[in-house]
Amino acid sequence: DVKVTQSSRYLVKRTGEKVFLECVQDMDHENMFWYRQDPGLGLRLIYFSYDVKMKEKGDIPEGYSVSREKKERFSLILESASTNQTSMYLCASSLYGVAGQPQHFGDGTRLSIL
Amino acid sequence: GENVEQHPSTLSVQEGDSAVIKCTYSDSASNYFPWYKQELGKGPQLIIDIRSNVGEKKDQRIAVTLNKTAKHFSLHITETQPEDSAVYFCAASKNNAGKSTFGDGTTLTVKP
Repeated sequence: DVKVTQSSRYLVKRTGEKVFLECVQDMDHENMFWYRQDPGLGLRLIYFSYDVKMKEKGDIPEGYSVSREKKERFSLILESASTNQTSMYLCASSLYGVAGQPQHFGDGTRLSIL
Repeated sequence: GENVEQHPSTLSVQEGDSAVIKCTYSDSASNYFPWYKQELGKGPQLIIDIRSNVGEKKDQRIAVTLNKTAKHFSLHITETQPEDSAVYFCAASKNNAGKSTFGDGTTLTVKP
């Protein structure tokens, strides 16, 4: 079974701090994703990566950056945290394939910015 | 880009009844349609998926139907049980795109 592990379940940070959210997958998947989940807004894609050191902006990249130095690890960085970034953050991974592939999600990090 | 609309946003049924959730998509090139279930405190998990060369797929009490002409697909859950209570997301993606576009989710409540 694929396991996607997010380093923290709950995180509380202060406005202006630099925040790192870490995600690790154990199935050698090429694709990795960061989503933000807010009530009534579904899953919104922040960034995704299809290979080491490769990244593409999703729908809401402003205020975020990412890092993928190793295939199994994908980090989301809030450069200067703001209260409107309080949210649930979900990481996912999937195989690269010609046909669509399902995404495997971690259990999320609930981030509060005070 | 792709746009996926999901209805209803909330659905309440009695245990044993059926539940149907519907999604429409805008990009006719989309050809992979997964459904995810998200239980409280967990990430979404794939429960069933369908590809565009198939019109219907069934797995025990859940089934998915796809109408490519109308660009809509539906999730059917029969004989619902309290443990089916969760948030359900539909999604659509194209070949090799990696990304999926998700619907906004449906909160299903099954009353015992």
